[in-house]
Amino acid sequence: TQLLEQSPQFLSIQEGENLTVYCNSSSVFSSLQWYRQEPGEGPVLLVTVVTGGEVKKLKRLTFQFGDARKDSSLHITAAQPGDTGLYLCAGDLGSRLTFGEGTQLTVNP
Amino acid sequence: DAGITQSPRHKVTETGTPVTLRCHQTENHRYMYWYRQDPGHGLRLIHYSYGVKDTDKGEVSDGYSVSRSKTEDFLLTLESATSSQTSVYFCAIKGRLAVGYTFGSGTRLTVV
Repeated sequence: TQLLEQSPQFLSIQEGENLTVYCNSSSVFSSLQWYRQEPGEGPVLLVTVVTGGEVKKLKRLTFQFGDARKDSSLHITAAQPGDTGLYLCAGDLGSRLTFGEGTQLTVNP
Repeated sequence: DAGITQSPRHKVTETGTPVTLRCHQTENHRYMYWYRQDPGHGLRLIHYSYGVKDTDKGEVSDGYSVSRSKTEDFLLTLESATSSQTSVYFCAIKGRLAVGYTFGSGTRLTVV
């Protein structure tokens, strides 16, 4: 059983559309991290959110940490083909990270 | 790059044989991790180390052992490889909070 439930698992959209990926848990995390992974490579950190209710923006990507620090969301505005990839959320348990199942995003031109 | 390399990048081995994967870092980080990645499961922690000779189990540790005799090297051994261990294995180091974890490029292991 995954500690972090990530949804949707697959998402295929057209260029210019908006999308949201959700990451939910019944556990409280000291921080939550979002990673992006390209084929044949390891995940690369996008952002870390630490404070409950925190919102961080990275160009067209908006990350939110839930007030209770149990859930998070990633919103992409006006998606582009270059956003295609595997997005992973990860909860910080102190000495280690636990990951969600990942969301495979495909943005079609 | 953050200075973490994995070897080999690809390996095919037979069922029942022992296999060792190597992770090498040049960052002098205390924490090192081995994860496996399978479709539909994201990344699952196998073992991790919090210092030389200090290791602990993750959520999928059965059939795997690790060793860390030097700060820079973390070895993962499959004692007797099985087909269920066919996977992509990632090593990671833990940086400061703002940096997060840095992952190697992965080892694709196929057990036939």
